Amino acid sequence: GAGVSQSPRYKVAKRGQDVALRCDPISGHVSLFWYQQALGQGPEFLTYFQNEAQLDKSGLPSDRFFAERPEGSVSTLKIQRTQQEDSAVYLCASSLTRIERGNSAEQFFGPGTRLTVL
Amino acid sequence: AQSVTQLDSQVPVFEEAPVELRCNYSSSVSVYLFWYVQYPNQGLQLLLKYLSGSTLVESINGFEAEFNKSQTSFHLRKPSVHISDTAEYFCAVRSIQGAQKLVFGQGTRLTINP
Repeated sequence: GAGVSQSPRYKVAKRGQDVALRCDPISGHVSLFWYQQALGQGPEFLTYFQNEAQLDKSGLPSDRFFAERPEGSVSTLKIQRTQQEDSAVYLCASSLTRIERGNSAEQFFGPGTRLTVL
Repeated sequence: AQSVTQLDSQVPVFEEAPVELRCNYSSSVSVYLFWYVQYPNQGLQLLLKYLSGSTLVESINGFEAEFNKSQTSFHLRKPSVHISDTAEYFCAVRSIQGAQKLVFGQGTRLTINP
C-alpha cells in the first residue's frame, strides 16, 4: 500500500558526471510522469509513459536527458554529463488509468530526488 | 498551450485569519484545474480539483476553490487557517483532451503566524 517512492532522495554530482534517478510507482499504475522543479519554481513536465511506452518527451530539456520504463513499472531518469543548471528536485508521479478525455486520473507524487551539481 | 500564474509568491497570515491564494490560468482549450499542497520535505498532495459541474469545490480540511471561467481564475480560500496549513500551494491545469501533463504555477508559500 506504499505510495510512489524515489531514490536516492539526495544526490550530489560533480559537473560532467552521469546520474540515474529511480522511481517506483504505485503498483498497478499505468501512467508515469517525470517533472523537474527548480528552486522557487513550480514543477515542469519532462516526460510521460503509458506502461512501457514513452508517449511524450517534449519536456526533456536536452538530449542529455533520457528516461526509460522497460517493464512498465519502475522508471529511471538518466542525466548524462550533468551541468549546474540541472540542479533541481526531480519529481515522479503515477496514476492508475490511462489519461483520456473526460478522465482526470489523479497523479500521485513521490517525495522527489534533490540533485545538486557542483 | 496552457500557463498558470499565481500572483503571490508568499502569503503570511495570522492563525485563525482567513486566507485567499490567487490563481489565474490561460488556455486555448478547456482544462481541468487542481490545487496541490506540498508540506516541508514531502511530496505534492492533491488538495482539490475542478472537473465539471458545480464551480465551487471543497477539500476535507476546510479549503475551497471557485472556478470562474470568465475571469479564468481558480482562487483557493480558507475562512480560518491553522498552523498546520503552513506549506507551499501549487495551482495546476491539465487539458481535458490531448496532452496529459500538468502545468503548474510558481507556487505560493503560506506561512501561518501564531
